[in-house]
Amino acid sequence: AQKVTQAQTEISVVEKEDVTLDCVYETRDTTYYLFWYKQPPSGELVFLIRRNSFDEQNEISGRYSWNFQKSTSSFNFTITASQVVDSAVYFCYKGNLIFGKGTKLSVKP
Amino acid sequence: NAGVTQTPKFQVLKTGQSMTLQCAQDMNHEYMSWYRQDPGMGLRLIHYSVGAGITDQGEVPNGYNVSRSTTEDFPLRLLSAAPSQTSVYFCASVSSGLGKTFFGQGTRLTVV
Repeated sequence: AQKVTQAQTEISVVEKEDVTLDCVYETRDTTYYLFWYKQPPSGELVFLIRRNSFDEQNEISGRYSWNFQKSTSSFNFTITASQVVDSAVYFCYKGNLIFGKGTKLSVKP
Repeated sequence: NAGVTQTPKFQVLKTGQSMTLQCAQDMNHEYMSWYRQDPGMGLRLIHYSVGAGITDQGEVPNGYNVSRSTTEDFPLRLLSAAPSQTSVYFCASVSSGLGKTFFGQGTRLTVV
């Protein structure tokens, strides 16, 4: 079965807090890509990060970082020092098939 | 380089009407797909294509037809629109080597 689970439906934080969005996936593929997309209120899908299943190196890019652990099939995404502009729905996506149901992040001033 | 172009951006249909959502990409990508987005459901795959002349069903294909006569275009057809098809539709194309997925701007469809 192919499945992407985002257990957190909604998260609310206060500006400058760190927040981690969880993603757990199931796949029978040996090679795959995982993504995080952001969907602001305007509706478009904004690409954030992509990870190849062969590359478990975790990285930091500005205020974003991600933790990919193939052993636990998890691909978590962290925003450091959150800002009001980070308020959006965040989707974890296993290309080319399955989206998670999304996590709505609200960052309050 | 326009990326993925989806038209129209908004559409209102009456029940039973037919229409085609257009999707075009200029990146020579083989893989293209259509998703629908409904509140609380995330994005669900409708149909996909791995190249010209090849299409397959995704998770929610009922009520939709697709064809892929060229690499560039992947239209989605609603033959007889139903209120349950009220949704936001996204087209995507994928660069096979890098796996990067490009999404169109979305089409907000309302069936009354």
